Amino acid sequence: GAVVSQHPSWVICKSGTSVKIECRSLDFQATTMFWYRQFPKQSLMLMATSNEGSKATYEQGVEKDKFLINHASLTLSTLTVTSAHPEDSSFYICSAPRWTENTGELFFGEGSRLTVL
Amino acid sequence: DAKTTQPTSMDCAEGRAANLPCNHSTISGNEYVYWYRQIHSQGPQYIIHGLKNNETNEMASLIITEDRKSSTLILPHATLRDTAVYYCIVKNSGGSNYKLTFGKGTLLTVNP
Repeated sequence: GAVVSQHPSWVICKSGTSVKIECRSLDFQATTMFWYRQFPKQSLMLMATSNEGSKATYEQGVEKDKFLINHASLTLSTLTVTSAHPEDSSFYICSAPRWTENTGELFFGEGSRLTVL
Repeated sequence: DAKTTQPTSMDCAEGRAANLPCNHSTISGNEYVYWYRQIHSQGPQYIIHGLKNNETNEMASLIITEDRKSSTLILPHATLRDTAVYYCIVKNSGGSNYKLTFGKGTLLTVNP
């Protein structure tokens, strides 16, 4: 079964509104989570690293005031797309690492498809 | 993390083995080879990873060459549901560095 869950799976919103996407680790704690964005027919692009109890680390070119990340607990990270515009329409995917023995596996959520009208 | 090179696309007949190659000639000694796949409109799914020994799990087998400069993911009996983009990623698994950089991957199409 899924070990990382996202909600909502899809959302449609009007231009100018804000949208929040949740990412939960279901049976393990994650001090770090990652947020990716994927445009049609393109690969996943890392947007930011979400750190529990501290500020997120954003990749170059990603506006931190546009994409607000909050990692308030060890099992939940949220991504808020503020003042969304049509160009923000994309597939947003989160991931979290889970340790097995001495290496870790990175598990991904199901993704959240955002359509901004 | 070392770069990887994969074919853009591959086809495979249902029921046959699918062998997906990956070149990672600049891999360093502490870097693992990870394979993920992404079925259309879903999040990526972990398949397998390895360091230098061949690995097998319920999904696939990973064959890593002795010099570790290339590897092959083997799906022993491909089904239509295995149609997906397969990503080969090389990274250091130590510490808390779990940022994965995705390339374009290989689109595997399993045909009936």
